[in-house]
Amino acid sequence: GAGVSQSPSNKVTEKGKDVELRCDPISGHTALYWYRQSLGQGLEFLIYFQGNSAPDKSGLPSDRFSAERTGGSVSTLTIQRTQQEDSAVYLCASSRDSLYEQYFGPGTRLTVT
Amino acid sequence: AQTVTQSQPEMSVQEAETVTLSCTYDTSESNYYLFWYKQPPSRQMILVIRQEAYKQQNATENRFSVNFQKAAKSFSLKISDSQLGDTAMYFCAFIPTGGTSYGKLTFGQGTILTVHP
Repeated sequence: GAGVSQSPSNKVTEKGKDVELRCDPISGHTALYWYRQSLGQGLEFLIYFQGNSAPDKSGLPSDRFSAERTGGSVSTLTIQRTQQEDSAVYLCASSRDSLYEQYFGPGTRLTVT
Repeated sequence: AQTVTQSQPEMSVQEAETVTLSCTYDTSESNYYLFWYKQPPSRQMILVIRQEAYKQQNATENRFSVNFQKAAKSFSLKISDSQLGDTAMYFCAFIPTGGTSYGKLTFGQGTILTVHP
């Protein structure tokens, strides 16, 4: 079946602009995660959605970052007033439930100039 | 808070040989799962193997096996008969099954493995 998809695959934006990154999880997966992968800093947890529960936003680095998940499926990560330090690969993952294996999308490479 | 440490930034191995990647973790949780993920140059993260902490038997998946030492909080990955396609960044990851970090994966810094022909 189809895996996790993310769009766009690459995004170049100017400092100060807003960007939206999209994630389509595997159908039927109730848990959805966003991570950030910066060069030399490994993977950093950002936010986690589980079913209809309130999302765990504890990993969001600032209030410029927000995410939503509509209809328990597609998720959008929004970064407002982008800064150069936001440049990274943003990975989305989904799983059947919180403790099952997470399946990752190919990521969106964000470059802020 | 959980931490995962991979002390080998880079490793290399000859094709068909065996290599072991190290991982240690720190947690106060007693129940958790551990994973090894592989990220080839294509950037796609792929699950390699999973270990439940309550199981004493080490997980095995074809050429991949783990040495799980719960008391030592160690979780190493052994790759046997290395193949060129094994060239990738390997991440060790931890997920607690309870507590405030329930459901959140914590990753190590990664080990770049290069398999030479």
